[in-house]
Amino acid sequence: DAGVTQSPTHLIKTRGQQVTLRCSPKSGHDTVSWYQQALGQGPQFIFQYYEEEERQRGNFPDRFSGHQFPNYSSELNVNALLLGDSALYLCASSLRSERGLYEQYFGPGTRLTVT
Amino acid sequence: GQSLEQPSEVTAVEGAIVQINCTYQTSGFYGLSWYQQHDGGAPTFLSYNALDGLEETGRFSSFLSRSDSYGYLLLQELQMKDSASYFCALGGDSWGKLQFGAGTQVVVTP
Repeated sequence: DAGVTQSPTHLIKTRGQQVTLRCSPKSGHDTVSWYQQALGQGPQFIFQYYEEEERQRGNFPDRFSGHQFPNYSSELNVNALLLGDSALYLCASSLRSERGLYEQYFGPGTRLTVT
Repeated sequence: GQSLEQPSEVTAVEGAIVQINCTYQTSGFYGLSWYQQHDGGAPTFLSYNALDGLEETGRFSSFLSRSDSYGYLLLQELQMKDSASYFCALGGDSWGKLQFGAGTQVVVTP
């Protein structure tokens, strides 16, 4: 049973560029959340997708956008990259159920470096 | 809004017991979760408290007191592999949005 997978593992971009990160949820899961984790900090919630719609959004600008596909996989897009966007981007999947509210399965993350 | 506070670092020897406290300020939440993260790895779910009291899962236990706005994670019989960062996280709504604390680095020494 495959867990949560993310691609790419590492990415280096230049300020002002755009980036797309991808996530495949754990088998059987229907909800995908994205988090940004700066070095030495806890993950910060970006947004969550369920049934191909953004359901919740954290305190992130519109430069951060996403999408969920019919197979539940998801993409995170960041436009006009800033140096401060350098972080580990984590995808978490869960099942839309009571247990799924708190037991989220995280992928290994994509390490984004903006130069 | 919500905020969580936890100690930045705790050091203990193998076999010892460690308690990581988490205090929070929020107007309402569904429950308190705990996650473990090794350096370079993904956070992994450890425990969850929806109600006040103690939840035990093997060597790890978690406690919640809503009246005191306080929870803790108890790590027993510490092993070297328990060296990692531990995060408390508030589940703030019915969609499972998690707000994480800054994390506690646990260092286990021989």
